[in-house]
Formats: sequence, structure tokens, C-alpha cells
Amino acid sequence: RKEVEQDPGPFNVPEGATVAFNCTYSNSASQSFFWYRQDCRKEPKLLMSVYSSGNEDGRFTAQLNRASQYISLLIRDSKLSDSATYLCVVGQTGANNLFFGTGTRLTVIP
Amino acid sequence: DAGITQSPRHKVTETGTPVTLRCHQTENHRYMYWYRQDPGHGLRLIHYSYGVKDTDKGEVSDGYSVSRSKTEDFLLTLESATSSQTSVYFCAISAGEAQYFGPGTRLTVT
Repeated sequence: RKEVEQDPGPFNVPEGATVAFNCTYSNSASQSFFWYRQDCRKEPKLLMSVYSSGNEDGRFTAQLNRASQYISLLIRDSKLSDSATYLCVVGQTGANNLFFGTGTRLTVIP
Repeated sequence: DAGITQSPRHKVTETGTPVTLRCHQTENHRYMYWYRQDPGHGLRLIHYSYGVKDTDKGEVSDGYSVSRSKTEDFLLTLESATSSQTSVYFCAISAGEAQYFGPGTRLTVT
């Protein structure tokens, strides 16, 4: 069983739409949670950390459900520039042991 | 910008030849990592370093070795490249609980 599982998509949504991605993780001892964004042929970049209480950064909202071992990312008012692959990342002990999902591809259509 | 560079950015080599990839950071981070990224897989950890001359294996270390003689440089060596090592290689550093990536090296083994 993979440590982190994501729906690979692709998700094709119109500009202005709201889209949600989900991710599950297998290790209940996981302690840190992140969403990264990766553009085509580029490196992954940290989008946001995910906190137990949920957190928001502009149009992006991340939620964590420890009981269900589930993480989500909500993007409101999608922009063309949001087109990318979104990676769910889970860590167990500090930053020395991060596990990456395979990513969910989002295309925002004009 | 995490101040990470990788060289070369692209390389084509033949099966059986040795290859060394270099990661250079400018911000004196203690932890450095090498990952590979392949379709259908999340980023997978090859080796990591927690200080000069201190390294440890990751999930997919077979066929790879690393060295870190200076804080700023972390080298990944493929002693005898195989076609299965065709991949995109990313170097990363950790700051806090998250990791930050270099631009990647595309390696093709023919």
C-alpha cells in the first residue's frame, strides 16, 4: 500500500470554478502535511503546510482529518495560472522522512 | 528561492558509464536530499545527508552513492548507469519541516 494516495485526475475546470483535491495517507503516526505545486518540467514548490485546525491562504484552503487520515485542498475562483500538478506530501519525523503522492493534475480552461 | 542549483541540468549517457550529479546550496542548510521522479511514482528518496560526511540511504538507494565533503555540495553518483536510472533527479534541502527543491537534472541512459 502506498504511503500517500491521490486521485491523478486530470481535473479540467473552467476559470472561476471551485475545485477540490483529496489525499489519503496510510501511517497514522504522520505529523506534518503539505501541498506542493509542480509545473510541467519544473521542480515542486511548497504551496502550503496543512495544520490540524485547517488553514487558508488567499484562494487556497487546506484541511486535515486525522481520524480519517485524509487531507484536502480547495481552490476557489480558479485562475489559468493555477494549472499545474498538485502533490500531497506527508511527513513522519521532522523533514527527514517525507512521502509524496503522485500528484493530481489540474487544468483551468478559459 | 532556496538557493539551490543542480548541474548538469540535462545529461545523456550510455549504459555502464559512471555519472555524477551535483547539488549546490548557498544557505548553509544541514539536511540535503536526492530524489528521483518517474511517471506513476511520487518523488522517491534515494539518499540524504544530515551533515558533512553524514549520509544515509533512502527508499531507492540501490545503484547510487553519495558524498558530502562540504556543507554546500551534495553529490549523487551512479557508478554504472542503467536504463532504469533514466529519470528526473531533484535535490532538496530542509528548512523547518518542509523541503525545498532544486531545478532538477534530466538524465537519460541509452
